Amino acid sequence: NAGVTQTPKFQVLKTGQSMTLQCAQDMNHNSMYWYRQDPGMGLRLIYYSASEGTTDKGEVPNGYNVSRLNKREFSLRLESAAPSQTSVYFCASRKDRVEYSPLHFGNGTRLTVT
Amino acid sequence: GENVEQHPSTLSVQEGDSAVIKCTYSDSASNYFPWYKQELGKGPQLIIDIRSNVGEKKDQRIAVTLNKTAKHFSLHITETQPEDSAVYFCAARNAGGTSYGKLTFGQGTILTVHP
Repeated sequence: NAGVTQTPKFQVLKTGQSMTLQCAQDMNHNSMYWYRQDPGMGLRLIYYSASEGTTDKGEVPNGYNVSRLNKREFSLRLESAAPSQTSVYFCASRKDRVEYSPLHFGNGTRLTVT
Repeated sequence: GENVEQHPSTLSVQEGDSAVIKCTYSDSASNYFPWYKQELGKGPQLIIDIRSNVGEKKDQRIAVTLNKTAKHFSLHITETQPEDSAVYFCAARNAGGTSYGKLTFGQGTILTVHP
């Protein structure tokens, strides 16, 4: 039981390049989330998906797109990377329909945009 | 929306001492308050949580207290050990309605326990 798996672990991009961060969970959770972590700012929600086929914006969605490929997979795409998107990105999932269920996080993708 | 403030940003203690981290929240509708521990190179992991109908919860050396009137909650770690060194995050959420589990996190506290 791997939990939440993110790939890649590290990535360096040049400004203007694009890339997709992959996330998969094997816990049969319906809800999935993308957060970014920056020093002194905690974790901020980029996008989330309450169920397969639905996605919604979070607190900081600009510059990102997401795809909920199926129940297991939720990807985050940067179409034209900018230095301000240098961050650590975390994917998380949650068992919904259980009111107080916690978020389960992956180990993150450290992205540097030069 | 919800706003969560966390203090202090860094905390240094000697092994065996207690550590206290405090958070305040703004949305009186929030009713679920988890605490996460993040070790180096890993994702955050839930260590304890509390619901708004409870004032205090303990799990071995860690405890969380909640004051709904003042809208603040705190994490208490007793008899600290070097392995407690990590970044700790508080969070808040309105567990009902259409929040879809969207947590609002505090800024994080870097706890260092010196042997």
